[in-house]
Amino acid sequence: QKEVEQNSGPLSVPEGAIASLNCTYSDRGSQSFFWYRQYSGKSPELIMFIYSNGDKEDGRFTAQLNKASQYVSLLIRDSQPSDSATYLCAVSRWGFNKFYFGSGTKLNVKP
Amino acid sequence: DADVTQTPRNRITKTGKRIMLECSQTKGHDRMYWYRQDPGLGLRLIYYSFDVKDINKGEISDGYSVSRQAQAKFSLSLESAIPNQTALYFCATSDPRTEDQPQHFGDGTRLSIL
Repeated sequence: QKEVEQNSGPLSVPEGAIASLNCTYSDRGSQSFFWYRQYSGKSPELIMFIYSNGDKEDGRFTAQLNKASQYVSLLIRDSQPSDSATYLCAVSRWGFNKFYFGSGTKLNVKP
Repeated sequence: DADVTQTPRNRITKTGKRIMLECSQTKGHDRMYWYRQDPGLGLRLIYYSFDVKDINKGEISDGYSVSRQAQAKFSLSLESAIPNQTALYFCATSDPRTEDQPQHFGDGTRLSIL
């Protein structure tokens, strides 16, 4: 079983819609959860992190965490073509400082 | 200037050659990492280092070695390159003093082994 699972996509949404990206993880001891955006051929760029159950909002992005279900999601409101990229979910456990990355979900936002 | 710099950015070489990928950082972070990325497999950890005297194997260390020459420098070597080591390689750093400790990535090295 992989530490972090993501649907590879592609997920296609029209411009202006809400994109919903999902991630599940296997280690119940995981404490920090991250979303990275990666454009093709480029390095991953941190978008958000969350470590408390519930929602965390930053501009058009909302991260949602449900530790009981071992589930984390990223919502992108008012999606733009520039949001088209692969989104990587990552989890870590404090004190261990090893990250586990999912394989990423490719998002296509159509004009 | 980038905070995490990888050299070279691209490299094409032949099977059996020795290759070194270099990473330097100006972020002052103690922790450094090497990952490889293959299509559909995401990022996989090769080696990581928590300080100059601390080197640890990741999930796919076979065929690779590393050297932490200084706090700011962490090199990855392929002693005898083989074609299935063709991939995109990333160096990353993190700061253990921050609670969330996100990883900060270099721009990557695209390595092709013929």
